Amino acid sequence: GQQVMQIPQYQHVQEGEDFTTYCNSSTTLSNIQWYKQRPGGHPVFLIQLVKSGEVKKQKRLTFQFGEAKKNSSLHITATQTTDVGTYFCAGGNAGNNRKLIWGLGTSLAVNP
Amino acid sequence: NAGVMQNPRHLVRRRGQEARLRCSPMKGHSHVYWYRQLPEEGLKFMVYLQKENIIDESGMPKERFSAEFPKEGPSILRIQQVVRGDSAAYFCASSRMAGASEQYFGPGTRLTVT
Repeated sequence: GQQVMQIPQYQHVQEGEDFTTYCNSSTTLSNIQWYKQRPGGHPVFLIQLVKSGEVKKQKRLTFQFGEAKKNSSLHITATQTTDVGTYFCAGGNAGNNRKLIWGLGTSLAVNP
Repeated sequence: NAGVMQNPRHLVRRRGQEARLRCSPMKGHSHVYWYRQLPEEGLKFMVYLQKENIIDESGMPKERFSAEFPKEGPSILRIQQVVRGDSAAYFCASSRMAGASEQYFGPGTRLTVT
């Protein structure tokens, strides 16, 4: 079945360092969404990308959707302790738009 | 503007009892999704419902689990004869549009089976 792989699984950084998580799908996606879950919290929708090659920014966060619509990345510049949490990507199946296919998430720890 | 509401937030059940988890979607949202999350793990899709219909239940265990989203009232995830392995956080999410549109999550129900 369709899978969305997310790497790395865990990442520790020093505050101020950059961080990137990658999402790769075995099939073409209709869209890609990113969510953040703080420890003990629930996933919160961050952004959706739809177009091939699309790049969107939210302050220190940069989201990219690959040209082939099979991969995506989230890059955080100059991490802060408030960035701690697990970042999930979720893609819509281009052929069957019934549900999102979720990555397993990247857990980010930031040392102050 | 209330978000997705789930209750109870914490639920303790003994093995063999039934657990009922409730979810009220955001206003204007008619699509509801249930997910299960074990500690330190990702989200596992369980079921997708629209009012009075189950659209996709491919992630639901075949036995003991059921879900409904009646015309009136919240969506219910029911787990019969709970076992220790059912202990997890159960999240409900809702969306305005069908399928792979952005989802808004509730705070979750933490189920503990003793």
